[in-house]
Amino acid sequence: EPEVTQTPSHQVTQMGQEVILRCVPISNHLYFYWYRQILGQKVEFLVSFYNNEISEKSEIFDDQFSVERPDGSNFTLKIRSTKLEDSAMYFCASLTSTDTQYFGPGTRLTVL
Amino acid sequence: QKEVEQNSGPLSVPEGAIASLNCTYSDRGSQSFFWYRQYSGKSPELIMFIYSNGDKEDGRFTAQLNKASQYVSLLIRDSQPSDSATYLCAVNIEFGGSQGNLIFGKGTKLSVKP
Repeated sequence: EPEVTQTPSHQVTQMGQEVILRCVPISNHLYFYWYRQILGQKVEFLVSFYNNEISEKSEIFDDQFSVERPDGSNFTLKIRSTKLEDSAMYFCASLTSTDTQYFGPGTRLTVL
Repeated sequence: QKEVEQNSGPLSVPEGAIASLNCTYSDRGSQSFFWYRQYSGKSPELIMFIYSNGDKEDGRFTAQLNKASQYVSLLIRDSQPSDSATYLCAVNIEFGGSQGNLIFGKGTKLSVKP
């Protein structure tokens, strides 16, 4: 069964460094999303992406964040200058044929 | 500020019992409602979705929606230890999951005791 994959599973970085989180959505899906979950807190929406552009973004998704789909398969989230409070699980999701969001396994980001 | 509220638990039920999980939401215009299960350290996994008032059953799971009361619930019949997880309620102001975004509650931790 097709799955959303995410790499790396765990990323450790120094504060102020740039990180790129990668996702490979299920191949025929068209809508993609990034969410984050700080440890012990709720899952929070960051951004949705359709037809190679952002369709919606939250207040969290400020100028430090960007997304792109550099080729036909990868969907990336870039954080330009990481802060301690960016430490979280980052989940990529894509929209299924039943109009529901299917989540990838996540990337744990640790900012030191 | 759109909010989704859940009792954080833990909710403890014996194996074979019915577990009842509840969720309220603040935006009266919300249109679609989802229940996800999240095991510790894992990603959310969709269990059920419901768009219309009333009950929707899928195997051991029943979702119930009351838009007038802004209330959605999940019943798990014949609870198994493998059902032990955190159950996340998510709401979208749009129909389905494509437009807009999912607003999640903090989740209710369920523990099913053998």
